[in-house]
Amino acid sequence: DVKVTQSSRYLVKRTGEKVFLECVQDMDHENMFWYRQDPGLGLRLIYFSYDVKMKEKGDIPEGYSVSREKKERFSLILESASTNQTSMYLCATSKPGETYFGPGTRLTVT
Amino acid sequence: AQSVTQPDIHITVSEGASLELRCNYSYGATPYLFWYVQSPGQGLQLLLKYFSGDTLVQGIKGFEAEFKRSQSSFNLRKPSVHWSDAAEYFCAVATYSGGGADGLTFGKGTHLIIQP
Repeated sequence: DVKVTQSSRYLVKRTGEKVFLECVQDMDHENMFWYRQDPGLGLRLIYFSYDVKMKEKGDIPEGYSVSREKKERFSLILESASTNQTSMYLCATSKPGETYFGPGTRLTVT
Repeated sequence: AQSVTQPDIHITVSEGASLELRCNYSYGATPYLFWYVQSPGQGLQLLLKYFSGDTLVQGIKGFEAEFKRSQSSFNLRKPSVHWSDAAEYFCAVATYSGGGADGLTFGKGTHLIIQP
C-alpha cells in the first residue's frame, strides 16, 4: 500500500526557532512536494523536488527552504519560525497521473 | 500562470438532494484536472480525475464531473447526497514541465453542509 509519512501530526514551536518537518515515502517516486493549507486559501505549493539534490520554488517559498539528500526523504525547513507560518503542512509524492498526500503536520508557532 | 476558481465558499444541500460544485480553471495547455475531498480532521482523498478522452468522468462515492473546455470548467456532481458527504471539496489542476510534475494548483475549496 502507498505510504507517505510525516514525522509529526502536531508541533508547537516558538518564534525564531528553526523547525524541521520531515516526509518519507516508500513508493520510489521522483517527485515530492510541500504544501501548506490555510482556511479559505486552500492548499498552496511551497517547494517541490524532481530528484535527489534538486529543488524548485513553488508559489510561496518565502521563509522556507528544503532538503532532499535521499530519494525517499524530503524535508521542509523553517529557518526562523514566525507566527504567520502557523498552518497545516502537507507532504505529497507523485507519479504521472497520481498524487499521494501525507496526513499533514499541524504547526503552531507561538 | 495557472489558476483554479471555486466560486462557492459554502454550499448547503438537503440530504437526498442533488449537488453541483463549480470549478473554473485557467491554464494554457491541456489541463489535468482533479477533485479532492477532505473530511474534518482527515487527509485529502482523490474523488476523480480527468486527463483526456471522455469528458464525463466517474469517481468514487457516486461522484462524477464533466470537463467543458469551452467554459474552462470541471464541475463536480452527485445525484443524491448523504450526510457523510459533508466535507471540504477542492478542485485542482496539475502542471508539468520538462523536469516532471510541477505540482497541483488548488482552488480555495467549497465547504459542503448537509441539512437533514
